[in-house]
Amino acid sequence: DGGITQSPKYLFRKEGQNVTLSCEQNLNHDAMYWYRQDPGQGLRLIYYSQIVNDFQKGDIAEGYSVSREKKESFPLTVTSAQKNPTAFYLCASSKASGNLGRSYEQYFGPGTRLTVT
Amino acid sequence: DAKTTQPPSMDCAEGRAANLPCNHSTISGNEYVYWYRQIHSQGPQYIIHGLKNNETNEMASLIITEDRKSSTLILPHATLRDTAVYYCIVSQTNSGNTGKLIFGQGTTLQVKP
Repeated sequence: DGGITQSPKYLFRKEGQNVTLSCEQNLNHDAMYWYRQDPGQGLRLIYYSQIVNDFQKGDIAEGYSVSREKKESFPLTVTSAQKNPTAFYLCASSKASGNLGRSYEQYFGPGTRLTVT
Repeated sequence: DAKTTQPPSMDCAEGRAANLPCNHSTISGNEYVYWYRQIHSQGPQYIIHGLKNNETNEMASLIITEDRKSSTLILPHATLRDTAVYYCIVSQTNSGNTGKLIFGQGTTLQVKP
């Protein structure tokens, strides 16, 4: 089945530890995104990547890092510098905007719920 | 990016049509209207999108007013599984577009038996 997977579903960490969240897609999409969702709120963009080996900061990138070494993978590291890391993290993928800048529908993974104590 | 306004919550009886409104009065000519929904504790799901014309797919219909300042998502026969938060998003098409989506608070639709 084609889709986007995130693991693990639940993750618990102690304060001060870095943690990496996995995101894999087999949809052959060029673009991938990481969002964060807090209780009762909409999604906020952390990082995005339009092509392999390139990524850009979103609206709330501080305290996070990403890599895009393979088309199908876009892992997110939550560093100890992130002040409020406890949240629901969502990964998405889509066709790339391309030269015309067309927005394409994004397909989301099931999310990882991170709790830091 | 254009902003959208949606009612915070709506109820619908099971089997009836659910009509979810969205205002986007500052939308520009090259911006699409997208609808997503998020069932509790899951990732958002794409539903439908449109530019000017009304659109229909297996999930829903999208009605966009002629001036494009508002739209309505229609779920023709709502079921209990349609209970979710529905997000209306406008997204640009231009050379500087990153493809990012700006999610507001959405409308919480409660389908009741």
